[in-house]
Amino acid sequence: AQSVTQPDIHITVSEGASLELRCNYSYGATPYLFWYVQSPGQGLQLLLKYFSGDTLVQGIKGFEAEFKRSQSSFNLRKPSVHWSDAAEYFCAVGAPPRGQNFVFGPGTRLSVLP
Amino acid sequence: DVKVTQSSRYLVKRTGEKVFLECVQDMDHENMFWYRQDPGLGLRLIYFSYDVKMKEKGDIPEGYSVSREKKERFSLILESASTNQTSMYLCASSFSPPARDNEQFFGPGTRLTVL
Repeated sequence: AQSVTQPDIHITVSEGASLELRCNYSYGATPYLFWYVQSPGQGLQLLLKYFSGDTLVQGIKGFEAEFKRSQSSFNLRKPSVHWSDAAEYFCAVGAPPRGQNFVFGPGTRLSVLP
Repeated sequence: DVKVTQSSRYLVKRTGEKVFLECVQDMDHENMFWYRQDPGLGLRLIYFSYDVKMKEKGDIPEGYSVSREKKERFSLILESASTNQTSMYLCASSFSPPARDNEQFFGPGTRLTVL
């Protein structure tokens, strides 16, 4: 069975600074990989996803993530953080071929300083 | 736009009550899911359904049951609510493989408090 770890429970960055949120997964083959964002009191919104092909994936709101098979990682990055990016971020892994069963990481809460 | 709606945003119930949480999606998705979300634990899958009248247990099904009589509707039932079921409940839906676009779409959540 697949599993996901997000080593950082809480990260604080200043507005305009760069951001990297870490995600490591455990799965025997290439999984489907997702990053979701949850704003306070809201459901989850998909930022980006990786199925195959180019290992650098572009998402919404200026986010990108890079799949590194050798490190079993799928880290989320943004070059310049905005105050509205303050939220909780979840990495998720789906196992092919069914793919529909996701395992979510525990989440990383991002705070942004003005 | 895909819409996943949940019947209540906030719900307060008493211990021992039977609780129904309803979820409706409008994208003709085959799969529907119920998660609970607790601080530090992320999302944990309670049940999912890949077709009408079909259901499979997730990681934490104890104390819960589900019903899917129509494709667009997936209900979570707490037969006898307990205080340890106080949580945020999230519903999601997705297409089935081989559709590659099988991301899960989430509803806004129901915050349930059991007193």
